Amino acid sequence: SQQGEEDPQALSIQEGENATMNCSYKTSINNLQWYRQNSGRGLVHLILIRSNEREKHSGRLRVTLDTSKKSSSLLITASRAADTASYFCATPMNTGFQKLVFGTGTRLLVSP
Amino acid sequence: DAGVIQSPRHEVTEMGQEVTLRCKPISGHNSLFWYRQTMMRGLELLIYFNNNVPIDDSGMPEDRFSAKMPNASFSTLKIQPSEPRDSAVYFCASSPGRVSNTGELFFGEGSRLTVL
Repeated sequence: SQQGEEDPQALSIQEGENATMNCSYKTSINNLQWYRQNSGRGLVHLILIRSNEREKHSGRLRVTLDTSKKSSSLLITASRAADTASYFCATPMNTGFQKLVFGTGTRLLVSP
Repeated sequence: DAGVIQSPRHEVTEMGQEVTLRCKPISGHNSLFWYRQTMMRGLELLIYFNNNVPIDDSGMPEDRFSAKMPNASFSTLKIQPSEPRDSAVYFCASSPGRVSNTGELFFGEGSRLTVL
């Protein structure tokens, strides 16, 4: 079963606009990760935020984590056509090993 | 580093045939994962290995599916016999495991399987 649920399922914006995607999860976590998947390709790790962090930045990416609400958001600022992809959040199951469970994903379309 | 290498990239087969998907993880990574991606079910974890040992295969859908990791640089996922509902993209991913403790997975480009 999926641990995370992203919303919205799909998002369409213009270049230069900001894109915000949200993720909700069910159980306690020690970190939450975001991945990107371009069409027909494998997933690529974007950023990891630990449970004791509330916000993290990487280039044009900003991730927030609210453990009390069991939710996270990914903000892409000044979007580009190349940001068009599906974005997934992933959380580790509490197995002692890195068993990641992925959410349903948000499909982002950035139009020039 | 070449990354995670999967083969074949595309496979079209007929129902009842045996399918073998292959994966070479990143050198030095001691955890390996097989995922399946479909539109209906999203990304599902099928099985994962640590130090070549299967740790959790609870995601393997049926006895028709089997996975092996004979050594640290090679893993296979076999479906025998294949059925149309097995059509999906199968991803292999590797991770440094507990040592780095980051949890980041490195994915291959996937094997797209179509069973007619």
